[in-house]
Amino acid sequence: AQSVSQHNHHVILSEAASLELGCNYSYGGTVNLFWYVQYPGQHLQLLLKYFSGDPLVKGIKGFEAEFIKSKFSFNLRKPSVQWSDTAEYFCAVRPMGAGSYQLTFGKGTKLSVIP
Amino acid sequence: DVKVTQSSRYLVKRTGEKVFLECVQDMDHENMFWYRQDPGLGLRLIYFSYDVKMKEKGDIPEGYSVSREKKERFSLILESASTNQTSMYLCAGSPTLGAKGNTIYFGEGSWLTVV
Repeated sequence: AQSVSQHNHHVILSEAASLELGCNYSYGGTVNLFWYVQYPGQHLQLLLKYFSGDPLVKGIKGFEAEFIKSKFSFNLRKPSVQWSDTAEYFCAVRPMGAGSYQLTFGKGTKLSVIP
Repeated sequence: DVKVTQSSRYLVKRTGEKVFLECVQDMDHENMFWYRQDPGLGLRLIYFSYDVKMKEKGDIPEGYSVSREKKERFSLILESASTNQTSMYLCAGSPTLGAKGNTIYFGEGSWLTVV
């Protein structure tokens, strides 16, 4: 079965700092990769996703992620964070192929942005 | 807009009670999922269903059952609630995984407290 590892439990940054959240997965086959965000008191929202093609994926609100197949990684980046980016971020992987339904999540990374 | 609706946002139940969590999606999606979200553990899959009357166990099915009598409705059942089932429960839906993969859409969550 696949698994997802997020390296940081809690990240604290000042506004305008650059962000990189690590995500590694374990699965030998082809996967779809996702980053979800959960703002305080709100439901999970899709930030960006990778299915195929260009490994650098751009999402909403200035976020991007890079899929590095050789490293089984899908790290999330943002050049300059804002206070409104304070949220919990979840990386998720979904295997491709017949009978593959399950989306497996990492344990999440809380991001606190200090004004 | 896609919509996954969970009927109860906040519930308080007593130990030993039977609990029903209802979820309805208006997207005509084949796949539906129940996750629970706990601090530091991320989202863990309880059960999923890929068609009416079909169900598969996820990672933590113990103490839970599900029902999918209609395509749009997926119910999570706690036969005899226990305090360790106090959690946030998230329902989700997605279309059948195609060649490009598909996104999973989440409801707003149901906070269940078992006392």
